[in-house]
Amino acid sequence: AQSVTQPDIHITVSEGASLELRCNYSYGATPYLFWYVQSPGQGLQLLLKYFSGDTLVQGIKGFEAEFKRSQSSFNLRKPSVHWSDAAEYFCRHDYGGSQGNLIFGKGTKLSVKP
Amino acid sequence: NAGVTQTPKFQVLKTGQSMTLQCAQDMNHEYMSWYRQDPGMGLRLIHYSVGAGITDQGEVPNGYNVSRSTTEDFPLRLLSAAPSQTSVYFCASRGQLNEQFFGPGTRLTVL
Repeated sequence: AQSVTQPDIHITVSEGASLELRCNYSYGATPYLFWYVQSPGQGLQLLLKYFSGDTLVQGIKGFEAEFKRSQSSFNLRKPSVHWSDAAEYFCRHDYGGSQGNLIFGKGTKLSVKP
Repeated sequence: NAGVTQTPKFQVLKTGQSMTLQCAQDMNHEYMSWYRQDPGMGLRLIHYSVGAGITDQGEVPNGYNVSRSTTEDFPLRLLSAAPSQTSVYFCASRGQLNEQFFGPGTRLTVL
């Protein structure tokens, strides 16, 4: 079965430190990949997406992600974390075919220490 | 554009009661979907629709019904609420570039 794995349930980083959130997906013919952020009590907001082309994609709020087909990964990064980045982050993979073929990871909660 | 709107924001039901969660979008998107979000489970797809008159089941459809009579509206019905349906429910619509736009969510408690 198709799956998306976010290995880290909870990560804590210091403000100003770099961040990398991991996402691994099971094989799919069309690696449509997305990252979303969810602040407490809010819906999900799209950070960035990858369809094809340049494997390093830039998103909003200073985030970027790199698609590595050989590792089936789409890790999210930010060079310097701000306290306002504390939220939960979800990776999403569309594995093609019918419209229902998309799956979210279980999320990684990010805490930021002052 | 208002984007995706959901009502109500909060709801408390007793076991066996029925209710409808409303969802509307004003972006003329064909694809709409309903998710439930539970701690440690991420988002799980309940039902989705690829256009007016067309709906299909997602990962966790049991206990929920949907209909899609217009492009704008995609209500989710709980016919007989159960405590296992206590969750946060999100409606989403999908744009042409596959990005999804989420509503603010409905927090449902079933006693």
